[in-house]
This record gives sequence, C-alpha cells and structure tokens, in this order.
Amino acid sequence: SAVISQKPSRDICQRGTSLTIQCQVDSQVTMMFWYRQQPGQSLTLIATANQGSEATYESGFVIDKFPISRPNLTFSTLTVSNMSPEDSSIYLCSAGTSYEQYFGPGTRLTVT
Amino acid sequence: KNEVEQSPQNLTAQEGEFITINCSYSVGISALHWLQQHPGGGIVSLFMLSSGKKKHGRLIATINIQEKHSSLHITASHPRDSAVYICAVRLIQGAQKLVFGQGTRLTINP
Repeated sequence: SAVISQKPSRDICQRGTSLTIQCQVDSQVTMMFWYRQQPGQSLTLIATANQGSEATYESGFVIDKFPISRPNLTFSTLTVSNMSPEDSSIYLCSAGTSYEQYFGPGTRLTVT
Repeated sequence: KNEVEQSPQNLTAQEGEFITINCSYSVGISALHWLQQHPGGGIVSLFMLSSGKKKHGRLIATINIQEKHSSLHITASHPRDSAVYICAVRLIQGAQKLVFGQGTRLTINP
C-alpha cells in the first residue's frame, strides 16, 4: 500500500490570493490525481497530474486557475489561484497503480 | 442521471444494528471502491472490488457486475462507524479515473 500526505491540512485565505497544496506519496505510483469536494457535494476530478509534462484537466477546470506540477513519481502540487469564496472546498490528492488507489487526508480550504 | 447512485443518502440507526448501503452504476467499470470519509475530510479506502465479496472485520462489500450493483454492509454497528460512505467506480475507459457517488451519511446512535 501507499501512504499519502498533504500539506497544509487546512487553511483560511483571503480572496484574490493563491494557495499551493503539496501531495507526497511514500512510494512510486503511476497516476496522481487532484479532486475537489465542494460543501455538501461529492468529489470531482480536477486533473490528472502527469510526471514531467502538463496536467490533463477535466471539463470546467483550467490550468490558469489550477496549475499543477508533478516533477517526479512521488510528489505533486496543486495551486488554487486568485481565490474566491466559491473555491472553498476540500482538495484531495489521490494516487494509484494499475491495481490500487490511495487517498490523501485532504486540505480544507476556506476563502473569505 | 448520475453515473453512480447511492442509497440511502442519509441513514440513522441504533448501535448494534445491521447496516446496508447500496450503490448502482450505469457505466462499464474495471473496479469499484468503497470509501469512508470522516468529518475532518480525509478519505480512507475500505474496499476495492472487481467481483464477488470481500470482508474486513465488521465490514462486508459485495458486487454484482451483471446487475451493476454493489452493497456495503456493517454488522454490529457502532457510533465510531458514523461517517460518510462513498461508492466510486473506476471506469474501463479513462485510465484510472474514478467517478464518485454522492455519499451516504451514516449516523449510529448509542
């Protein structure tokens, strides 16, 4: 199995600022994903983080708003840019191989 | 219509009761996950199923691929089982992306 850690675990930010969330996996994984869970909603995939290349974004999510990096097989970052209160959510990192998928503890973001 | 539907959305029961949460899906899948989310937001993977049945402690998960249906059962429920339980399917197409159900909020009263 793999253990995923995320930093920060929570933050309160002012609108117009940006926050970078880090995701670290304790073993090499093939795929890494970033999800968003808005209050009262289920998880929605933001993008697939690709090692050494641009992330693959889902419909409704753009690189300018959610830039993602993945410099190696065990680490990725998600930046929430120019935040507004609508960005208040839990952001979740997930990582997997062909056989398993693991989840981080999530980052609870509140934008005021 | 969502690709993954869970029922019930909310469930309140007394300690000791047998709990069943259902998940139906409408797409081709390679696997189905049952996840547990506590109030802090972190998600724990309970099961990954591609066929049959799995058991871990008081938790049992079953899947019927032909009927596109899965159930999560909790025996001898306890207040610490109170959480949101989420069904997620791994699509056959789309690498390892998951599609999530809306979740079932379970409350077990002592």
